[in-house]
Amino acid sequence: SQQGEEDPQALSIQEGENATMNCSYKTSINNLQWYRQNSGRGLVHLILIRSNEREKHSGRLRVTLDTSKKSSSLLITASRAADTASYFCATAREIAGGYNKLIFGAGTRLAVHP
Amino acid sequence: KAGVTQTPRYLIKTRGQQVTLSCSPISGHRSVSWYQQTPGQGLQFLFEYFSETQRNKGNFPGRFSGRQFSNSRSEMNVSTLELGDSALYLCASSLRASGGSSSYEQYFGPGTRLTVT
Repeated sequence: SQQGEEDPQALSIQEGENATMNCSYKTSINNLQWYRQNSGRGLVHLILIRSNEREKHSGRLRVTLDTSKKSSSLLITASRAADTASYFCATAREIAGGYNKLIFGAGTRLAVHP
Repeated sequence: KAGVTQTPRYLIKTRGQQVTLSCSPISGHRSVSWYQQTPGQGLQFLFEYFSETQRNKGNFPGRFSGRQFSNSRSEMNVSTLELGDSALYLCASSLRASGGSSSYEQYFGPGTRLTVT
């Protein structure tokens, strides 16, 4: 099963509105990352928040992390049509040997209408 | 710096054939990971290489294999292709290898879209 689960699965808003996407995960983490993917292309890293951080900002992006609830949220303020994309959260899961793999959630499809 | 490049970008193969995909990481990055993305299963981790050694492997059959060269370039190979192997294959590079419960920002290439007929 996937480590990260985003909700909603799809979000449709008007330009200028804020968009909030949530991510829940199951095991303890060292950090959580958010990525964006434009239709069928590679993913773009947006932001990384460490487990000892509660909030992080990058331009119009704001990410929060609540380790007690094992959840994170991504807020995009003043959305633009160019923000239309799928957004994924990703967490590292430790496996045998001390290594880990980055596990992505199913993603939230965001559509921003002009 | 140039980004992660993947070749070819599109590929059409027939069931039973094999395919090799190539990935060139960002200069200076030594970790390369591969992912398979399908509408049904989403993004799934295939494997990670660091310094020519496979560090991690996902839950894929042995038909999926990979390797990394001394210049950090990586290839993945899929033998005896099945229809279900049709997917977008993404390569990502990272400055450092994953370790413990830590993970690092990964920089993705544009992907290779493989269609198996």
